[in-house]
Amino acid sequence: DSGVTQTPKHLITATGQRVTLRCSPRSGDLSVYWYQQSLDQGLQFLIQYYNGEERAKGNILERFSAQQFPDLHSELNLSSLELGDSALYFCASSHRGANTGELFFGEGSRLTVL
Amino acid sequence: AQSVSQHNHHVILSEAASLELGCNYSYGGTVNLFWYVQYPGQHLQLLLKYFSGDPLVKGIKGFEAEFIKSKFSFNLRKPSVQWSDTAEYFCAVNNHDYKLSFGAGTTVTVRA
Repeated sequence: DSGVTQTPKHLITATGQRVTLRCSPRSGDLSVYWYQQSLDQGLQFLIQYYNGEERAKGNILERFSAQQFPDLHSELNLSSLELGDSALYFCASSHRGANTGELFFGEGSRLTVL
Repeated sequence: AQSVSQHNHHVILSEAASLELGCNYSYGGTVNLFWYVQYPGQHLQLLLKYFSGDPLVKGIKGFEAEFIKSKFSFNLRKPSVQWSDTAEYFCAVNNHDYKLSFGAGTTVTVRA
């Protein structure tokens, strides 16, 4: 158990819909990262938050947005869903604000868009 | 943009065989290097890491990796694999820009 909690574990929805994925980082970790894992794209960095502020952006689509709340949990919002958005979405956290690259991953939220 | 290349997509071995997975990265500056492992149905977890110092680093479960700066490589090795090493292995590079870049992953299947 990494200490990072993600919900829901599985989600099935239809094209055009909107979903929200939730992540609680490890106790004491201020940074939250979101990654998308798909068969064709591998592990793609989406976005990072540090203590409520966006710190870095990767290959995140405009249809996707995220935020980190004062209690440090984070939500990833995916809207106007397409079939190609089907993937495993991982949240990770790191020790305080350390930018070493050592991340602790949650178990992921598997999104299936039909 | 930096990239991370893993040489093998899928490796199949028998128990007790030796394993070596290749990883090369393109970034020329100072980097931190990692191998993460994802066992079937589980989350990614850190196998080992290199920040500085001795280029030969040892991780959990008997794995080790060697950083060769001149070759921009960070290859993962294990002298004798077990069935429980069946997993997907990811090389990752961090160049202090708040982003950890992953390779495409290598699926390792160990036959009992």
